[in-house]
Amino acid sequence: GAVVSQHPSRVICKSGTSVKIECRSLDFQATTMFWYRQFPKKSLMLMATSNEGSKATYEQGVEKDKFLINHASLTLSTLTVTSAHPEDSSFYICSAKDFSRTDTQYFGPGTRLTVL
Amino acid sequence: SQQGEEDPQALSIQEGENATMNCSYKTSINNLQWYRQNSGRGLVHLILIRSNEREKHSGRLRVTLDTSKKSSSLLITASRAADTASYFCATAAYGGATNKLIFGTGTLLAVQP
Repeated sequence: GAVVSQHPSRVICKSGTSVKIECRSLDFQATTMFWYRQFPKKSLMLMATSNEGSKATYEQGVEKDKFLINHASLTLSTLTVTSAHPEDSSFYICSAKDFSRTDTQYFGPGTRLTVL
Repeated sequence: SQQGEEDPQALSIQEGENATMNCSYKTSINNLQWYRQNSGRGLVHLILIRSNEREKHSGRLRVTLDTSKKSSSLLITASRAADTASYFCATAAYGGATNKLIFGTGTLLAVQP
């Protein structure tokens, strides 16, 4: 099956710093990628939809200046958590939609962010 | 919130027993998908059922969909300890090109050996 990778898998940072998380589709082209956030023992909450070559679409309540998304190529989207605070600590998961298959999304393994 | 509800929130069974999880959603859908997540890991796609389908099988998995009740169920037969994980349903709505998924609250399944 298709593979989506995320990097880093785990990051610990100090409050006030910015953290970039990469999401890559390894063997297919992804015109659309999605970013989710998951709190411990909770479900996934969609943060934003990332479209290659255009601005991301953010869900209600998600600060676009706080969570910067860039989708510069058909295989890479990045999420930057700017000026991170402890409340931003979470599990961030991306998914990528296969351009050639209408209903299929493939999920990355997730990135655990801990802000001290 | 558009998020779907799943029940039970947690389920503990013995190996060999069947496990049934239910999902209810709120809006019209194009399809409904079930995912599995091991603790602290990413999601694994299990099965997709379209809005015009009522039942689907894949190995030990059986999924039903009742669009009139806006509900779905996932049955895992002859469960194994390795089935221990969280299970989420996710709905894709009609319309729009992005097919974004709305996830349910999840069921934590523990299969005791």
